[in-house]
Amino acid sequence: GAGVSQTPSNKVTEKGKYVELRCDPISGHTALYWYRQSLGQGPEFLIYFQGTGAADDSGLPNDRFFAVRPEGSVSTLKIQRTERGDSAVYLCASSLKGRENEQFFGPGTRLTVL
Amino acid sequence: KQEVTQIPAALSVPEGENLVLNCSFTDSAIYNLQWFRQDPGKGLTSLLLIQSSQREQTSGRLNASLDKSSGRSTLYIAASQPGDSATYLCAVTAGNKLTFGGGTRVLVKP
Repeated sequence: GAGVSQTPSNKVTEKGKYVELRCDPISGHTALYWYRQSLGQGPEFLIYFQGTGAADDSGLPNDRFFAVRPEGSVSTLKIQRTERGDSAVYLCASSLKGRENEQFFGPGTRLTVL
Repeated sequence: KQEVTQIPAALSVPEGENLVLNCSFTDSAIYNLQWFRQDPGKGLTSLLLIQSSQREQTSGRLNASLDKSSGRSTLYIAASQPGDSATYLCAVTAGNKLTFGGGTRVLVKP
């Protein structure tokens, strides 16, 4: 595709449920990033993949959050036992190898935990 | 830990006025600084990227300056238009991650 795509665009779930958020990066981009943006704030870094491996997961807030990228393309962010505080927009970005400082962002998934 | 601050949080101007948006950061060891635009319900669009060795970048009506020593960047938007209404975010890069400010929400009134 022409840009980074994320599905679903909106997700409403109940406290305690499990959710998966999907990101399709730009074709050929080896680096992929997840950010979380709470209302009225800037995005905060969660995790960075280079290829299939998580090169930096220092931004994941706790062990309820996990992300995978098994084939080095599509990535899934997984949140277990969701809490109301997890409500935010989850943004995905990708970049070319060697151009990790020039990231292209998707439209985000708005997660609402009731 | 890098902290990025944007002031003001919100700004409202009449059409035609110049916009001045401020960004400050605490750690001058950055690789570059970017300004992004975010429209409601949309992702981020990169407007300008200033490498750490540069002092400014220009694109059309937009001009961004960078002063690493003082930890400051300013985004100027000349002759604002209603279509410039959006949230503007600055972000600094160190390593592979971006650290964002909280954004400035801009409203340009016709």
